[in-house]
Amino acid sequence: AQKITQTQPGMFVQEKEAVTLDCTYDTSDQSYGLFWYKQPSSGEMIFLIYQGSYDEQNATEGRYSLNFQKARKSANLVISASQLGDSAMYFCAMREGRGNTGNQFYFGTGTSLTVIP
Amino acid sequence: EPEVTQTPSHQVTQMGQEVILRCVPISNHLYFYWYRQILGQKVEFLVSFYNNEISEKSEIFDDQFSVERPDGSNFTLKIRSTKLEDSAMYFCASSELGGYTDTQYFGPGTRLTVL
Repeated sequence: AQKITQTQPGMFVQEKEAVTLDCTYDTSDQSYGLFWYKQPSSGEMIFLIYQGSYDEQNATEGRYSLNFQKARKSANLVISASQLGDSAMYFCAMREGRGNTGNQFYFGTGTSLTVIP
Repeated sequence: EPEVTQTPSHQVTQMGQEVILRCVPISNHLYFYWYRQILGQKVEFLVSFYNNEISEKSEIFDDQFSVERPDGSNFTLKIRSTKLEDSAMYFCASSELGGYTDTQYFGPGTRLTVL
């Protein structure tokens, strides 16, 4: 089974509108972290936001928020007030708590977001 | 703001040649990683490194690959005999600690093209 599933290969959003990028995860660990990264066309991976499995509040970072639904094992990224510079690939990733050190990130296949002027 | 750097940005090599990809992690970070991304595909874990030894590696990281921290700042990935299928973007990442709550910060990547 895939550890991270992103079911939206491509999304379009009007400038200044909000958009939700879906992410579901699969783990039997109680302790895990969920991360979102942005990859512009230039190729670098930019960290956006983090949510821990024990965090009761949804994480927020500026225009980014994470809609964390633990029972449903989903960690959707919400981008508010989209800007043209938000056009990029977005990857959801998970790190499990097993062993607690050096554990790899599992990445999803990504969602390509295009912001339309 | 501290960042992970990687050199070169693009490496072209002939099949069968050895390549060394270089990374300078963030200075106070203790854990280092290599990932690769074949064009249009997801990012895949290769190896993690802590305290001068490999802490975890994936099935991709076979005997053709090795990692080293030759000095106090550099972290290298060596591919001994490159194959066509090694063509990919290689990302180095580092984290301050190794726990599941710790963010990994990625470098800009090295695009490896094997001809």
